[in-house]
Amino acid sequence: DGGITQSPKYLFRKEGQNVTLSCEQNLNHDAMYWYRQDPGQGLRLIYYSQIVNDFQKGDIAEGYSVSREKKESFPLTVTSAQKNPTAFYLCASSGQGYNSPLHFGNGTRLTVT
Amino acid sequence: AQTVTQSQPEMSVQEAETVTLSCTYDTSESNYYLFWYKQPPSRQMILVIRQEAYKQQNATENRFSVNFQKAAKSFSLKISDSQLGDTAMYFCAFMKNSGNTPLVFGKGTRLSVIA
Repeated sequence: DGGITQSPKYLFRKEGQNVTLSCEQNLNHDAMYWYRQDPGQGLRLIYYSQIVNDFQKGDIAEGYSVSREKKESFPLTVTSAQKNPTAFYLCASSGQGYNSPLHFGNGTRLTVT
Repeated sequence: AQTVTQSQPEMSVQEAETVTLSCTYDTSESNYYLFWYKQPPSRQMILVIRQEAYKQQNATENRFSVNFQKAAKSFSLKISDSQLGDTAMYFCAFMKNSGNTPLVFGKGTRLSVIA
């Protein structure tokens, strides 16, 4: 079955360490997105990529980095520069236009202590 | 920039009753799309219903329907015959009418269905 895989489901890191969250899709979607979810804040856009080897900053990109070397993969690195990295991270993808709604992965809960 | 506002952080409804969740948005775009997503305790995001702004007819999906008021920039979700499985966070979202643009989400409404 096609879908989006985020791994791992839970991730623990020490403060000051960089950590990379994995996102893989086999839906043949061109666009991929990373959102951050905090209680009472909804989903906020970190980065998105509309095509391989290209990506754009979202509303809260500071302290994060991404790459899009393959259509299927859009990993997110949470760097030590991110002040409050503990959160729930959601990856999503979409095909062309309105008829291809956003498909979400199951998310990764990152805890930094 | 577009913004989406959900003014009800939490709501509750008795099983089998009807509940309406509010959503307003701000945009200068003339054509766009609106969505309601559901996030149950499993945290999986599920598309509930979607509306194209150029369509005057309100979208309906089984027990879920919307009241889309374009002039007022309002997009409320009505859930009829509420079921325990409807307990979830509900997010309203906006998308511009151009290829693969990101969705802008509201802060969500936590709905509890009470037996």
